[in-house]
Amino acid sequence: EDKVVQSPLSLVVHEGDTVTLNCSYEVTNFRSLLWYKQEKKAPTFLFMLTSSGIEKKSGRLSSILDKKELFSILNITATQTGDSAIYLCVCAGGTSYGKLTFGQGTILTVHP
Amino acid sequence: NAGVTQTPKFQVLKTGQSMTLQCAQDMNHNSMYWYRQDPGMGLRLIYYSASEGTTDKGEVPNGYNVSRLNKREFSLRLESAAPSQTSVYFCASSEKSGAGRRYQPQHFGDGTRLSIL
Repeated sequence: EDKVVQSPLSLVVHEGDTVTLNCSYEVTNFRSLLWYKQEKKAPTFLFMLTSSGIEKKSGRLSSILDKKELFSILNITATQTGDSAIYLCVCAGGTSYGKLTFGQGTILTVHP
Repeated sequence: NAGVTQTPKFQVLKTGQSMTLQCAQDMNHNSMYWYRQDPGMGLRLIYYSASEGTTDKGEVPNGYNVSRLNKREFSLRLESAAPSQTSVYFCASSEKSGAGRRYQPQHFGDGTRLSIL
């Protein structure tokens, strides 16, 4: 059975801290790993990673994939209170509809 | 840009009542999906529609039916609601992600919070 495991499940930091969120996976016919940010409503797309070792960056957020170790990390530097959210790691498998397997999410709380 | 629009945003039902959740997307996407999100379990796929005119079961289809009304709209129906169906329901859409195609990220609606008493 496909699974995606995120750690830690929750994290509390202060503004300015750097955080690393972890995601490990076992997914049949793996195609891509995606990170989403979920605040009160819809998960919003952050990154899609398909190749090992290539870092994707967007502002203070960055992510990298290791397909040998079946692992990804999401880094957030200089955290802000607006970064408080649930971060979802999601893996797309190779079925006809691009089956997604979701991790449980990491709840990040950034205090002023 | 509206993206994916879900209605209603909140609903309370009694056990045994029926309900249809509506979803529409304006991104001209071929594929649409219904998920439920429960605490500690991540999102689980209920049904999906890879393209207009087709629907298929996901991981947790029991107790639900779907209709792909046209390319824009994909509805989810609870025929006889049960307390176990209390959840937050998300609709999503994407371009087709079949074999040989680059995977396309899904875009989510804001969710429908459904409580069944």
